[in-house]
Parts: sequence; structure tokens; C-alpha cells
Amino acid sequence: NAGVTQTPKFQVLKTGQSMTLQCAQDMNHNSMYWYRQDPGMGLRLIYYSASEGTTDKGEVPNGYNVSRLNKREFSLRLESAAPSQTSVYFCASTEGMNTGELFFGEGSRLTVL
Amino acid sequence: GNSVTQMEGPVTLSEEAFLTINCTYTATGYPSLFWYVQYPGEGLQLLLKATKADDKGSNKGFEATYRKETTSFHLEKGSVQVSDSAVYFCALPSGGSYIPTFGRGTSLIVHP
Repeated sequence: NAGVTQTPKFQVLKTGQSMTLQCAQDMNHNSMYWYRQDPGMGLRLIYYSASEGTTDKGEVPNGYNVSRLNKREFSLRLESAAPSQTSVYFCASTEGMNTGELFFGEGSRLTVL
Repeated sequence: GNSVTQMEGPVTLSEEAFLTINCTYTATGYPSLFWYVQYPGEGLQLLLKATKADDKGSNKGFEATYRKETTSFHLEKGSVQVSDSAVYFCALPSGGSYIPTFGRGTSLIVHP
């Protein structure tokens, strides 16, 4: 009963390093999302994928890229990490864009030094 | 686009106290409204929802009523427990794109 699985759960990077956060869902959902959560800011949408083969920018896309590898997997890449990207990242999925009910992973805590 | 505003926390209560967390929304039409809960160290999970005006969502003793007259969706619980300590988020789809938009979250701390 995995749901949404994110890896890694914790990561420490140096400024300028790159890394990819992986996300996979086993619920056959069409839509997937990447959010970041910062103290006092709630959740802010980075990128989303309405369906396999499509990706779109959210509220805070700068410094990130995404890949919808297949229906199950949606990865988030930081090409050149900056301290401002220190955050907790959440992947989420929904059956469709108009259902509104999100299923979240447990989060990936990223620290950029 | 659509948006929500939540009361700021933290909200600190003693066990068995009554809880209200305020949420007001701005929206075109009458979209579904949601409350999510985030327990320490976990991702968010849906707590309850209401799909149309005047609906009441309920789960685990929590309730919220979709009130179009006051554009509100306040979360209530009659008797909180220590295990309810968490961060609570109000949310709604952001206009035509249906992308879920969240409030800033309200931290609830319940003491024994």
C-alpha cells in the first residue's frame, strides 16, 4: 500500500551541486505535482504534470526542471543548487486535475550549504 | 485566481477543549473546499472536504461547513486530543486549472 513514494528523504548539498528528487505513485493517477514547503509560506507549487507527456510551471519554477518519465514517475531536478532552495519538497498526485484531492508523499528535506 | 486565508497559529489548547481554525476563501463560482492535516514528519493527508455550498464535511470528529454567505470553511472539533497536534491546511482549486492552492497552515498544539 505504498501510495506516493519519494526518494531521498534527506539530502545535503553544496551550492552549485545538482541532484534529482524522485517520485513514484502506484495509484494510476494522471496528474502529479511538486510543492515546496517553507516556514510561514505554506505549500507553493513548483511544477505540475496534468497527464503523462505534459509538464507546466507552477508558482515558483525558477531553478528547477521536471520530467514526467511515465505515468508513475515524476522527477524534480536542481541543476545548480542554491541556499534559497533549502526546503522540504513534497510530491503529490491526483486521479485527475479536477478532483482536487491530493495524495502526498512523505517529503524530501533538502539542505543547501 | 482563487485563494484562501487561514488564521495564524500556533493555536495552543488543553486536551478536551473546543477547536476552531478559521478559513475564508475568495473564489469564482463554488469550488470544492478541503482541509488537509500534516502530522509531524509526514506529508499532508486529506482530512475532510465539501463539494458544494452548505455541505458539511466531517472526519475523525472534525467538521467544516461550506458557507457561501460568509465565504468561510472553518474547521471545528468539540474535544481535541493530544494526537490532534498537527498543522492544518485549508485548500481549494485555483480557478480553471483546478490546481490545489493552500493556505499557509495553522499549527495546533494540544497539551495533556
